[in-house]
Amino acid sequence: AQSVTQPDIHITVSEGASLELRCNYSYGATPYLFWYVQSPGQGLQLLLKYFSGDTLVQGIKGFEAEFKRSQSSFNLRKPSVHWSDAAEYFCAVVGRVYSGGGADGLTFGKGTHLIIQP
Amino acid sequence: NAGVTQTPKFRILKIGQSMTLQCTQDMNHNYMYWYRQDPGMGLKLIYYSVGAGITDKGEVPNGYNVSRSTTEDFPLRLELAAPSQTSVYFCAIGTDWDEAFFGQGTRLTVV
Repeated sequence: AQSVTQPDIHITVSEGASLELRCNYSYGATPYLFWYVQSPGQGLQLLLKYFSGDTLVQGIKGFEAEFKRSQSSFNLRKPSVHWSDAAEYFCAVVGRVYSGGGADGLTFGKGTHLIIQP
Repeated sequence: NAGVTQTPKFRILKIGQSMTLQCTQDMNHNYMYWYRQDPGMGLKLIYYSVGAGITDKGEVPNGYNVSRSTTEDFPLRLELAAPSQTSVYFCAIGTDWDEAFFGQGTRLTVV
């Protein structure tokens, strides 16, 4: 089964500084990878996704992520963070769905809590 | 166009009680999912459905049941609530496994 590791539980960044959130995955085939953001008390919102092709994908809110197969990574970046970016960020990978019972489904990492310092 | 609507937003249950978490969508997506989110644990898939009349287990189905009689609705049933089911529950929809649009969540406490 696939798995996702987000090694940083918390990250603190100054407003206006650059940001990189790490994500490593384990999956046998070419993965479908996602980054979601969750603001306090809210559901998850999709930031970007990677299926194939260009390994640098652009998302909403100025975020981008780069797929590196050799490192099994899909790190999220933003050149300059804003206070409104403070939230929980989840990396996820789609696994396999098995007819007749069970599904790997969308597997999430445990999340990285982003704190923005003024 | 509300997207995904979950009700209730909050609920407190006593051990052994039952309840149904409602999820309704107006986007005509075939795929619907139920996840639970526990602090520091990310989200875990409980059940999913690929269309009306079709449901299947996810990673953590024990203690839950679902039905999908229409494209729009995908209720999640807890028959005998246990403290371990205290969590935030998210319903999500999608056109395929390629992404999911999430509802606002239902915060459930079992005491």
